[in-house]
Amino acid sequence: DIQMTQSPATLSASVGDRVTITCRASQTINRYLAWYQLKPGKAPKLLIHTTSTLQSGVPSRFSGSGYGTEFTLTITSLQPDDFADYYCEQYYLYSTFGQGTKVELK
Amino acid sequence: QVQLQASGPGLVKPSETLSLTCNVSGGSISDYYWSWVRQSPGKGLEWIGYINYSGRTNYIPSLRSRVTISIDTSKNQFSLKVYSVTAADTALYYCARGPSHGGSYQEYWGQGTLVTVSS
Repeated sequence: DIQMTQSPATLSASVGDRVTITCRASQTINRYLAWYQLKPGKAPKLLIHTTSTLQSGVPSRFSGSGYGTEFTLTITSLQPDDFADYYCEQYYLYSTFGQGTKVELK
Repeated sequence: QVQLQASGPGLVKPSETLSLTCNVSGGSISDYYWSWVRQSPGKGLEWIGYINYSGRTNYIPSLRSRVTISIDTSKNQFSLKVYSVTAADTALYYCARGPSHGGSYQEYWGQGTLVTVSS
């Protein structure tokens, strides 16, 4: 199994802040990594796939980078709508998700 | 815009079978891969498996012996069965669509349906 270690578990930030979430894979996953945004009572939303490809309709303040085992999701200027849970997912071998990061208001 | 809606009993007894159906609207079920993902209370997300339009399936090894995913292209829906459930199968179950090349991320998700395993 490929394990995904996501950090931090909780991130306290203010509107306008730059925030970064990290995901580490237990083995190389090439660039087969996606990021999702989850909000209670709503359908999860795909933000980024293939490490850095922005899904259609997702604001450009979201970006992804990395290769192999280390990946990051960056939000350059946090907006009120961005307070949510974020998960990474590897799909190199089956699919496994990170444990999630809760972005909360400082 | 494709929309997915999962439905099924919200309460299942231990040792029985959990059955859910995902209705797909706003697009054809053909040419794509369709997955089930669950989120246990207070825990993260767990991919269960996928099926494609021709019936090809793939399941996470830890659940393979207890899970079946099927598809009905005439009704534009696909289904999940989890056999011999325990309390550990209590979760919010999502259905989702992946791109046509398969084995991949999920482009569209439903809102999820909560299933509780309890006597």
